[in-house]
Amino acid sequence: QKEVEQNSGPLSVPEGAIASLNCTYSDRGSQSFFWYRQYSGKSPELIMFIYSNGDKEDGRFTAQLNKASQYVSLLIRDSQPSDSATYLCAVKMDAGNMLTFGGGTRLMVKP
Amino acid sequence: ETGVTQTPRHLVMGMTNKKSLKCEQHLGHNAMYWYKQSAKKPLELMFVYNFKEQTENNSVPSRFSPECPNSSHLFLHLHTLQPEDSALYLCASSQVGGEAYNEQFFGPGTRLTVL
Repeated sequence: QKEVEQNSGPLSVPEGAIASLNCTYSDRGSQSFFWYRQYSGKSPELIMFIYSNGDKEDGRFTAQLNKASQYVSLLIRDSQPSDSATYLCAVKMDAGNMLTFGGGTRLMVKP
Repeated sequence: ETGVTQTPRHLVMGMTNKKSLKCEQHLGHNAMYWYKQSAKKPLELMFVYNFKEQTENNSVPSRFSPECPNSSHLFLHLHTLQPEDSALYLCASSQVGGEAYNEQFFGPGTRLTVL
Protein backbone atom coordinates (compact mmCIF):
# COMPACT_ATOMS: atom_id res chain seq x y z
CA GLN A 1 0.00 0.00 0.00
CA LYS A 2 1.34 3.38 -0.99
CA GLU A 3 1.91 5.49 2.09
CA VAL A 4 2.96 8.94 3.20
CA GLU A 5 4.22 9.16 6.76
CA GLN A 6 4.57 12.18 9.03
CA ASN A 7 5.25 12.53 12.73
CA SER A 8 1.98 13.71 14.22
CA GLY A 9 3.73 15.95 16.77
CA PRO A 10 3.10 18.35 18.28
CA LEU A 11 6.39 19.92 17.29
CA SER A 12 7.04 22.85 19.58
CA VAL A 13 9.55 25.57 18.64
CA PRO A 14 10.22 29.00 20.11
CA GLU A 15 9.39 32.11 18.13
CA GLY A 16 12.22 33.01 15.74
CA ALA A 17 13.59 29.47 15.54
CA ILE A 18 13.69 27.18 12.50
CA ALA A 19 10.92 24.59 12.36
CA SER A 20 11.76 21.40 10.48
CA LEU A 21 8.94 19.18 9.29
CA ASN A 22 9.62 15.81 7.69
CA CYS A 23 7.72 13.43 5.46
CA THR A 24 8.61 10.03 4.02
CA TYR A 25 6.87 8.22 1.19
CA SER A 26 6.85 4.63 0.03
CA ASP A 27 6.54 4.84 -3.75
CA ARG A 28 9.82 5.45 -5.57
CA GLY A 29 7.92 6.49 -8.67
CA SER A 30 6.45 9.53 -6.92
CA GLN A 31 6.63 12.63 -9.05
CA SER A 32 5.45 15.74 -7.23
CA PHE A 33 5.39 16.72 -3.58
CA PHE A 34 3.25 19.29 -1.86
CA TRP A 35 3.11 21.00 1.51
CA TYR A 36 -0.20 22.27 2.81
CA ARG A 37 -0.91 24.27 5.94
CA GLN A 38 -4.19 23.70 7.77
CA TYR A 39 -5.33 25.92 10.61
CA SER A 40 -7.76 24.42 13.09
CA GLY A 41 -11.25 24.35 11.64
CA LYS A 42 -10.06 25.54 8.23
CA SER A 43 -9.29 23.84 4.92
CA PRO A 44 -5.77 22.99 3.70
CA GLU A 45 -3.90 25.82 2.02
CA LEU A 46 -1.10 25.09 -0.45
CA ILE A 47 2.24 26.50 0.70
CA MET A 48 4.55 25.15 -1.97
CA PHE A 49 5.39 22.18 -4.13
CA ILE A 50 8.61 20.60 -5.34
CA TYR A 51 9.39 18.04 -8.01
CA SER A 52 13.19 18.08 -8.41
CA ASN A 53 15.82 16.92 -5.96
CA GLY A 54 17.32 19.68 -3.89
CA ASP A 55 15.96 22.79 -2.24
CA LYS A 56 13.23 25.18 -3.26
CA GLU A 57 12.87 28.45 -1.36
CA ASP A 58 9.88 30.74 -1.09
CA GLY A 59 10.18 33.47 1.49
CA ARG A 60 10.59 31.92 4.93
CA PHE A 61 9.76 28.47 3.59
CA THR A 62 12.19 25.97 2.06
CA ALA A 63 11.14 22.60 0.70
CA GLN A 64 13.81 19.92 0.42
CA LEU A 65 13.46 16.77 -1.66
CA ASN A 66 15.65 13.68 -1.63
CA LYS A 67 14.20 11.06 -3.95
CA ALA A 68 16.95 8.52 -3.24
CA SER A 69 16.05 8.53 0.45
CA GLN A 70 12.34 9.06 -0.27
CA TYR A 71 11.83 12.01 1.99
CA VAL A 72 10.68 15.55 1.64
CA SER A 73 10.96 18.22 4.29
CA LEU A 74 9.73 21.73 4.96
CA LEU A 75 11.83 24.28 6.82
CA ILE A 76 10.21 27.38 8.25
CA ARG A 77 12.72 30.08 9.17
CA ASP A 78 12.02 32.78 11.77
CA SER A 79 8.95 30.87 12.97
CA GLN A 80 6.04 33.02 14.09
CA PRO A 81 3.09 32.16 16.35
CA SER A 82 0.90 32.56 13.25
CA ASP A 83 2.72 29.55 11.75
CA SER A 84 1.10 27.34 14.39
CA ALA A 85 -0.99 24.89 12.39
CA THR A 86 -1.02 21.35 11.05
CA TYR A 87 1.25 20.83 8.06
CA LEU A 88 0.19 18.19 5.56
CA CYS A 89 2.55 16.48 3.16
CA ALA A 90 1.00 15.22 -0.08
CA VAL A 91 2.55 13.11 -2.80
CA LYS A 92 1.56 12.53 -6.40
CA MET A 93 2.58 8.94 -6.81
CA ASP A 94 1.85 8.04 -10.41
CA ALA A 95 0.82 9.32 -13.79
CA GLY A 96 -2.68 10.04 -12.60
CA ASN A 97 -3.78 13.10 -10.69
CA MET A 98 -4.39 11.61 -7.27
CA LEU A 99 -2.61 12.93 -4.22
CA THR A 100 -1.89 10.80 -1.17
CA PHE A 101 -1.78 12.77 2.06
CA GLY A 102 0.12 12.12 5.23
CA GLY A 103 -1.55 12.46 8.58
CA GLY A 104 0.00 15.87 9.20
CA THR A 105 2.36 17.33 11.79
CA ARG A 106 1.01 19.80 14.30
CA LEU A 107 3.39 22.71 14.77
CA MET A 108 3.25 25.00 17.79
CA VAL A 109 5.32 28.19 17.79
CA LYS A 110 5.57 29.65 21.28
CA PRO A 111 6.08 33.41 21.80
CA GLU B 1 -16.46 34.64 -6.06
CA THR B 2 -12.91 33.43 -6.22
CA GLY B 3 -11.17 30.12 -5.71
CA VAL B 4 -13.24 27.16 -4.64
CA THR B 5 -16.54 27.66 -2.83
CA GLN B 6 -18.65 25.12 -0.98
CA THR B 7 -22.18 25.20 0.38
CA PRO B 8 -23.47 24.67 2.93
CA ARG B 9 -20.65 25.31 5.38
CA HIS B 10 -22.39 23.35 8.13
CA LEU B 11 -25.00 20.60 7.84
CA VAL B 12 -26.79 18.53 10.45
CA MET B 13 -28.89 15.68 9.16
CA GLY B 14 -30.65 12.60 10.40
CA MET B 15 -29.86 9.15 9.11
CA THR B 16 -32.99 9.06 6.96
CA ASN B 17 -32.50 12.46 5.34
CA LYS B 18 -31.32 13.21 1.82
CA LYS B 19 -29.08 16.22 1.31
CA SER B 20 -26.56 17.49 -1.21
CA LEU B 21 -23.24 19.28 -0.91
CA LYS B 22 -22.28 21.74 -3.61
CA CYS B 23 -18.86 22.82 -4.82
CA GLU B 24 -17.96 25.41 -7.43
CA GLN B 25 -14.50 26.30 -8.70
CA HIS B 26 -13.69 29.66 -10.30
CA LEU B 27 -10.13 28.79 -11.30
CA GLY B 28 -10.70 27.39 -14.78
CA HIS B 29 -9.48 23.96 -13.69
CA ASN B 30 -10.40 20.71 -15.41
CA ALA B 31 -10.37 18.30 -12.45
CA MET B 32 -12.38 18.25 -9.23
CA TYR B 33 -12.21 16.10 -6.11
CA TRP B 34 -14.15 15.15 -3.00
CA TYR B 35 -12.21 14.39 0.18
CA LYS B 36 -13.32 13.33 3.63
CA GLN B 37 -11.42 14.49 6.71
CA SER B 38 -12.23 12.79 9.98
CA ALA B 39 -10.65 13.56 13.32
CA LYS B 40 -7.15 12.14 13.68
CA LYS B 41 -7.18 10.50 10.23
CA PRO B 42 -5.42 11.54 7.03
CA LEU B 43 -7.38 13.20 4.28
CA GLU B 44 -9.22 10.48 2.39
CA LEU B 45 -9.83 10.87 -1.32
CA MET B 46 -13.38 9.89 -2.24
CA PHE B 47 -13.96 10.78 -5.88
CA VAL B 48 -12.05 12.29 -8.79
CA TYR B 49 -13.52 13.89 -11.89
CA ASN B 50 -11.41 14.79 -14.91
CA PHE B 51 -13.16 16.79 -17.62
CA LYS B 52 -16.52 15.93 -15.98
CA GLU B 53 -15.81 12.20 -16.12
CA GLN B 54 -15.40 10.20 -12.94
CA THR B 55 -11.98 8.56 -12.96
CA GLU B 56 -11.68 7.41 -9.36
CA ASN B 57 -14.07 6.01 -6.81
CA ASN B 58 -12.00 5.19 -3.79
CA SER B 59 -14.22 2.36 -2.48
CA VAL B 60 -16.79 4.83 -1.23
CA PRO B 61 -20.14 3.44 0.02
CA SER B 62 -23.08 3.95 -2.32
CA ARG B 63 -24.81 6.23 0.19
CA PHE B 64 -22.46 8.89 -1.22
CA SER B 65 -23.29 9.74 -4.83
CA PRO B 66 -21.25 12.31 -6.75
CA GLU B 67 -22.40 14.36 -9.70
CA CYS B 68 -20.34 16.58 -11.98
CA PRO B 69 -22.54 18.40 -14.52
CA ASN B 70 -19.63 20.50 -15.87
CA SER B 71 -16.00 21.17 -15.08
CA SER B 72 -16.86 23.98 -12.65
CA HIS B 73 -19.49 22.30 -10.49
CA LEU B 74 -19.41 19.22 -8.32
CA PHE B 75 -22.09 17.79 -6.05
CA LEU B 76 -22.11 15.10 -3.41
CA HIS B 77 -25.55 13.63 -2.81
CA LEU B 78 -26.05 12.08 0.60
CA HIS B 79 -28.70 9.58 1.71
CA THR B 80 -29.15 7.19 4.65
CA LEU B 81 -25.87 8.23 6.20
CA GLN B 82 -24.44 6.79 9.38
CA PRO B 83 -23.12 8.70 12.41
CA GLU B 84 -19.58 7.64 11.48
CA ASP B 85 -19.97 9.65 8.28
CA SER B 86 -19.78 12.83 10.34
CA ALA B 87 -16.67 14.66 9.13
CA LEU B 88 -15.38 17.65 7.21
CA TYR B 89 -16.05 17.18 3.49
CA LEU B 90 -13.62 19.05 1.30
CA CYS B 91 -13.83 19.83 -2.37
CA ALA B 92 -10.71 20.60 -4.37
CA SER B 93 -9.83 21.43 -7.95
CA SER B 94 -6.69 21.34 -10.06
CA GLN B 95 -5.41 21.63 -13.59
CA VAL B 96 -4.20 18.37 -15.05
CA GLY B 97 -2.24 17.68 -18.20
CA GLY B 98 0.40 19.71 -20.00
CA GLU B 99 2.90 21.44 -17.71
CA ALA B 100 0.59 21.35 -14.69
CA TYR B 101 1.85 19.65 -11.54
CA ASN B 102 -1.63 19.09 -10.19
CA GLU B 103 -1.54 21.59 -7.35
CA GLN B 104 -4.91 21.08 -5.73
CA PHE B 105 -6.79 24.01 -4.24
CA PHE B 106 -9.34 23.35 -1.54
CA GLY B 107 -12.67 24.89 -0.72
CA PRO B 108 -13.58 25.81 2.87
CA GLY B 109 -15.35 22.50 3.46
CA THR B 110 -18.73 21.40 4.75
CA ARG B 111 -18.83 20.28 8.37
CA LEU B 112 -21.34 17.41 8.36
CA THR B 113 -22.93 15.98 11.48
CA VAL B 114 -25.13 12.90 11.18
CA LEU B 115 -27.43 12.31 14.13
